Formats: sequence, C-alpha cells, structure tokens
Amino acid sequence: DIQMTQSPSSLSASVGDRVTITCRTSQSISTYLNWYQQKPGEAPKLLIYAASSLQSGVPSRFSGSGSGTDFTLTISSLQPEDFATYSCQQSYSNNWTFGQGTKVEIK
Amino acid sequence: QVQLQQWGTGLLKPSETLSLTCAVYGGSFSGYYWSWIRQPPGKGLEWIGEIGHSGSTKYNPSLKSRVTISEDTSKNQFFLKLSSVTAADTAVYFCARRHGIYSGSYYGTVYYFDLWGRGTLVTVSS
Repeated sequence: DIQMTQSPSSLSASVGDRVTITCRTSQSISTYLNWYQQKPGEAPKLLIYAASSLQSGVPSRFSGSGSGTDFTLTISSLQPEDFATYSCQQSYSNNWTFGQGTKVEIK
Repeated sequence: QVQLQQWGTGLLKPSETLSLTCAVYGGSFSGYYWSWIRQPPGKGLEWIGEIGHSGSTKYNPSLKSRVTISEDTSKNQFFLKLSSVTAADTAVYFCARRHGIYSGSYYGTVYYFDLWGRGTLVTVSS
C-alpha cells in the first residue's frame, strides 16, 4: 500500500489567512494526487485532481502543487465556508489510499 | 444531474453481514467504476472496493476476504456486503463514482472520486 501522511493534523486560522497543507507519500506517485474537502456530516467534495488541476466549480483561491512524494494544498485567502477537513488521495496505485485528514478550524 | 442515493442497515451485531445499496439516478451507470469507501468515527477515509466494466471487481487487500461488491445494471444499482463484522467496522460508509480523464500520452488517464453518496452510518454493537 502507498501510505499517505498529512501535516499538520489540524490548524487554527483566521478569515483571510493563507493556509498550506502538506501531503507526503511513501513512494513516488508522479502527480497522481487528489485533494478533497469534507464538512461535518457531509460527503467529501473533490477540489483538486492530478495534483494541480482545479475541479470545475471550485473557487480559484484553492490551488495544488507538487510531484513525486511531496504535495501541497494552498488556500490563498481563507473564507468562512472553508473551515473543514481536507484529505489527500493517491491515484497512482489502484489500491486507492487517503491521508488521515487535516482539520482547519477557526482561530 | 447525476446523484447517488444509498441505504442499508444501520445497526448490526458482531458476526453479522453488513448490506448496503447505492442507486445511480440521472446519469449513466455503464462506463464508470463504482466504489465503496468508509470512514470510522474521527478517522480518515478507507477505500473498500469497486465494481466496473462487465462487473469486474477489485477490493482492498485488507478487507478482501470479507467483501463482496455486486451490481444490478437493470436498476442502476450496486451493492456492498461485508461479512463477519466487528466493532472495528463501525463507520460511515459512502458510495462514490470513480471518474477518469485523459491527461495526455505521458500521464495517461488520471482518476478521482467526483461523485459521492451522502453516507450511511453503520454501527456494530452487541
């Protein structure tokens, strides 16, 4: 299995802050990396696929970067609706695996 | 607009079999891979398995011995059965569509889960 490690596991931030979340994989996966946002009681929502491609309808303040084993999700200016848990997922190996999630809370 | 609607038994006793159904409304069933994914309370997402073309299946090796995923294409539905459940199987279970997009000759097709059901909480307790 490809192991996914996100950091931090949680963070506190204010509206307007720039937020960066990191995902590291146990082996190189090129750019086969997706990011999801999940709010309490809801299903995950796809934000970014292929490391840096923005899913249709997702605000441009979300961006992704990275390749190989190190990836980043950035929210350029945090909005009230962005407080949620963010998870990465690899699509390199077809035993699909997810990170443990990063919870973004209000400071 | 394509939607996934899921349902099934929410409370089980240890050793029983979990059964869930996911129905696809408003869109094509064929041509996609359909997955089950779960999330234990306070934990991350875990892919359980999927069914796709011509009923082909693939399972997470850690659950393979207990999982069966099947489909009824006439009803645009797919199903999850997980046998011999324990408290460790307590989780919210999601159905999801795995979509692929061709990204050129170098990267080939990239896959992601773009459509999800609302989730079903399954609790295993004696």
